[in-house]
Amino acid sequence: QVQLVQSGAEVKKPGASVKVSCKASGYSFTGYYLHWVRQAPGQGLEWLGWINPNSGDTNSAQRFQGRVTMTRDTSISTAYMELSSLTSDDTAVYYCARAPATVAWFDPWGQGTLVSVSS
Amino acid sequence: QSVLTQPPSVSAAPGQKVIISCSGSSSNIGNNYVSWYHQLPGTAPKLLIYENNKRPSGIPDRFSGSKSGTSATLGITGLQTGDEADYYCGAWDSSLSAWVFGGGTKLTVL
Repeated sequence: QVQLVQSGAEVKKPGASVKVSCKASGYSFTGYYLHWVRQAPGQGLEWLGWINPNSGDTNSAQRFQGRVTMTRDTSISTAYMELSSLTSDDTAVYYCARAPATVAWFDPWGQGTLVSVSS
Repeated sequence: QSVLTQPPSVSAAPGQKVIISCSGSSSNIGNNYVSWYHQLPGTAPKLLIYENNKRPSGIPDRFSGSKSGTSATLGITGLQTGDEADYYCGAWDSSLSAWVFGGGTKLTVL
């Protein structure tokens, strides 16, 4: 079945970077976009950006531009999201989610990766 | 503050029907498809409705979606205690060139 499995929880200090992985299985990795969405504790969903695993093209939300880097390794069907210059406001669960197009729906979602930023 | 506006909470008795609204603008709901997700505590969101009113396989027909102008609604009939979750609407925003979501609606089945 289609599945997205993310890397484990991370604890980082302010100013550091974090890299979260998302391994896809059960479908053609290069045939779908992968988006990154985060959810701060007790809060709603916030979109970070997408990557086209086929071309490597990316697009990110304006507020994260310059701070988020999305990459992929097609040989192992895995996408990565790296967020730099972390602050406590970046403490959240980070999800990857598959989409048939940049403006289409998200299905399925990864299980989420908790990133905690604390001094 | 979320770009799309949802009521913070709704409630209804088992077996009853509930409607969750999602209000936006011409740059998002007005000119792009709406999708709906539900999220059980401690789990990832799951797709309920896509392209305004389509249900993925495995989603029962108790769930329905509609869109009119710059607003969308999610309807749930025959409420079950297992439907208690947070519900989110989402859409692409052409002006922001970004995905936007509602703040989420907590459904309580009394």
